[in-house]
This record gives sequence, structure tokens and C-alpha cells, in this order.
Amino acid sequence: DAGVIQSPRHEVTEMGQEVTLRCKPISGHDYLFWYRQTMMRGLELLIYFNNNVPIDDSGMPEDRFSAKMPNASFSTLKIQPSEPRDSAVYFCASSFSSLAGRTGELFFGEGSRLTVL
Amino acid sequence: DAKTTQPTSMDCAEGRAANLPCNHSTISGNEYVYWYRQIHSQGPQYIIHGLKNNETNEMASLIITEDRKSSTLILPHATLRDTAVYYCIVRGPINYGGSQGNLIFGKGTKLSVKP
Repeated sequence: DAGVIQSPRHEVTEMGQEVTLRCKPISGHDYLFWYRQTMMRGLELLIYFNNNVPIDDSGMPEDRFSAKMPNASFSTLKIQPSEPRDSAVYFCASSFSSLAGRTGELFFGEGSRLTVL
Repeated sequence: DAKTTQPTSMDCAEGRAANLPCNHSTISGNEYVYWYRQIHSQGPQYIIHGLKNNETNEMASLIITEDRKSSTLILPHATLRDTAVYYCIVRGPINYGGSQGNLIFGKGTKLSVKP
């Protein structure tokens, strides 16, 4: 399996621009998570989906952030307008909830490093 | 806030066992202990998890004290590639209803394996 695929791997943009980060979860996984990592705050959960439906978005910092999951194989995290404090590595992760043997193992992508100038 | 306490950093000699402690004194009866690690510039990687029994897999062993207030992750023969930040996380049942099933990462322990 190719694992969780994120794009772009690196993004440099100017303040005020729209940024869209993309994620393809592992096929068959029914949960998808977006995390953000900074030196100051560590890894923070932003939002997660179950069967393409947003379940908990309490970690989304403000209205400039939005996330969608139009189908089981694709999700986006959008920042509009972007600000320098949004600079971070954004990780997408997916997992599978089976009826038996739930390990709760999350599979993370390689991350998208965002720099907002 | 993370429900665990870990040392900020540890060193280990290559080939020796690395023992990473974690305190989780407020753990609830239905909460699991999870360990993840993050190698520089990569996404976190699942290692192992347990409820109250000791667990072992191809990567590591997890020793949980009888009162479940602390645990130790053991890498039996550490290699240079095991240099990473190791996160100990407590987490509720995997229902994902609300936040109880979420993985909340703390600061972790930076393990440096030296030749």
C-alpha cells in the first residue's frame, strides 16, 4: 500500500494568499485526521472525519481554516487568507475501525511544510 | 492537555536496550496507553499499545505497572535509526465519539542513540 499521501510536500506563499493542502488516505480507512505541528505547540489535532463526515472540528484555530472530505479517497485543508503564524507542518492521518481488534493505530503521511511570508 | 509525563530527553548506546518511562497517574480504567515515535522530518509512527497487560511486538515491548499509573517502552536493541521523539499517549476507547478517542500528543522524549 502506498500509505497516506499528502501534497504539496512544501509550500511557500505570501500572507493573504489561499493555501490548499491535500490528502489521500489509505484505501479502506474510514477515519481521517488533520494535525498541525509547530515547535511551540507540538502536534495539535485540528479536525477529524468518519466516513467523510466531520466529527470534531474543535481544534480548527479559526474561520480562516476549513476542511472537506468530498469522498473516501480525498480530503483538503484550506487556509484563506493565510498568515505567517500558520507556518507549520500539517499532517494527515487515517485509520480503520474494525469491529474486532481495534488497535487505534493511525497512519500518518509525510506532512506538508507550509511557510507563509 | 496531555495526560502523560515523560523525560525531555534520553541517550542510549547503540545495541543496548532503551527504556523509556512514562507516568500517567490519572489514567482511567478504560484508557489505553499508546506509544508513537517521530523520526526527524517524518510523520509519527505507531509502535505499540496496551491496556493493562504487558505487550510485545516486532518493534518493542510495553510494560505497564499493576496500578497502571506508569509504563515503560523497551527497545531491546537500539540502533541509530531509533533516534526519534517518542510519544506516550493515553486514550479512551476507539469510539471516536467526541474527543475521548483522539490522540493528544505531548512533548515526548527525544531519544538519541549513540554509536
